[in-house]
Amino acid sequence: DTAVSQTPKYLVTQMGNDKSIKCEQNLGHDTMYWYKQDSKKFLKIMFSYNNKELIINETVPNRFSPKSPDKAHLNLHINSLELGDSAVYFCASSPNPGGAYEQFFGPGTRLTVL
Amino acid sequence: GNSVTQMEGPVTLSEEAFLTINCTYTATGYPSLFWYVQYPGEGLQLLLKATKADDKGSNKGFEATYRKETTSFHLEKGSVQVSDSAVYFCALTQGGSQGNLIFGKGTKLSVKP
Repeated sequence: DTAVSQTPKYLVTQMGNDKSIKCEQNLGHDTMYWYKQDSKKFLKIMFSYNNKELIINETVPNRFSPKSPDKAHLNLHINSLELGDSAVYFCASSPNPGGAYEQFFGPGTRLTVL
Repeated sequence: GNSVTQMEGPVTLSEEAFLTINCTYTATGYPSLFWYVQYPGEGLQLLLKATKADDKGSNKGFEATYRKETTSFHLEKGSVQVSDSAVYFCALTQGGSQGNLIFGKGTKLSVKP
């Protein structure tokens, strides 16, 4: 039974399009995250939600908008896609925002913008 | 700000060789320290963690000790296997409610039979 799932796994699209990536966790966790992994494998936090409230909003273009309809879901919507948005996007969850907890990662969504 | 520096790879070893991947950090307060592993085509998995100074995290033969005096959390394994081939990330979390992970750049390990 998958703990953190993401859809789609692969997403290929044209510049200027709008796309969404969905994430769901069945672990009963309160906190969810979006990370971006670039072509050199570097991982960086984008957003974090705790109990459906935004608690971390790093410096990302406002074309990226997260939405958390409930504690188990955190979706990422991207408007006006650009070439530089090509990356692997990982969703993760943890029991709460406290730093000592393990984060559980989804399998990633590889976004390719042509 | 907080940051993590780890040795850049790739690292190529023969099976049963000794592995060390160096990791040092800069942080205010008392961060928790982690090693995550990413196998090809997969998401990240926690390998081990330590939450206070002098703690040793261990799992699957891997070990790392939280050294506050040297701000280090080096990963070691006495005898690597081909199945250990992956990318290894050192990471920390800040204290308080900022629980996001701050990652090093990752070290790719390849183990040859």
